[in-house]
Amino acid sequence: NFMLTQPHSVSESPGKTVTISCTGSSGSIASNYVQWYQQRPGSAPTPVIYEDNQRPSGVPDRFSGSIDSSSNSASLTISGLKTEDEADYYCQSYDSSNHVVFGGGTKLTVL
Amino acid sequence: VQLVESGGGLIQPGRSLRLSCAASGFTFDDYAMHWVRQGPGKGLEWVSGISWNSGSIDYADSVKGRFTISRDNAKNSLYLQMNSLRTEDTALYFCAKDYRGGSSGWYLFDYWGQGTLVTVSS
Repeated sequence: NFMLTQPHSVSESPGKTVTISCTGSSGSIASNYVQWYQQRPGSAPTPVIYEDNQRPSGVPDRFSGSIDSSSNSASLTISGLKTEDEADYYCQSYDSSNHVVFGGGTKLTVL
Repeated sequence: VQLVESGGGLIQPGRSLRLSCAASGFTFDDYAMHWVRQGPGKGLEWVSGISWNSGSIDYADSVKGRFTISRDNAKNSLYLQMNSLRTEDTALYFCAKDYRGGSSGWYLFDYWGQGTLVTVSS
């Protein structure tokens, strides 16, 4: 079964830049779009990146997404970190049956 | 856009439960809809999706044969019939709107409800 693997947690200081990876278990991660969701404590998820690197309206340009085919990974980069960015982040793509697959989530701590 | 889930609760293993999601603020019958769940302290798991006209329906392997998704476009409502519930089905169940209609696959979950909690325990 296709899986997306994320680091369990990352931490960084305010104002700095952090990158969260999402590695596909098989096939080419570039074959299907990758989306990224932010989930703050006690809240529902909201999209922050879609189609690998597009930002929904209202998402600041501090958030960016990319694909690295050589490592079969997608990445979410957040620059100029703010305390409000502290949340869980999930990548999402699809398997060969078009089933939606989520990564295990990464807890971002801004300290 | 507003999505409001209901129907969760405490239920014994093997029993059935039906979840509902009331949608408003958008043209419901233009978009695919999904159920996504999150176990206590765990990550997100896609459960099921249904296209705008119910022509495309799909399930995660973990619930296939036990859960049934449906929608009533006249009532702007989405449903999830859950049978033969197991303790591992315990989770917060979110209703989520797809950005597209779903006729050519699932896409992006652009709006989510706040979830309804299902606890399966004896």
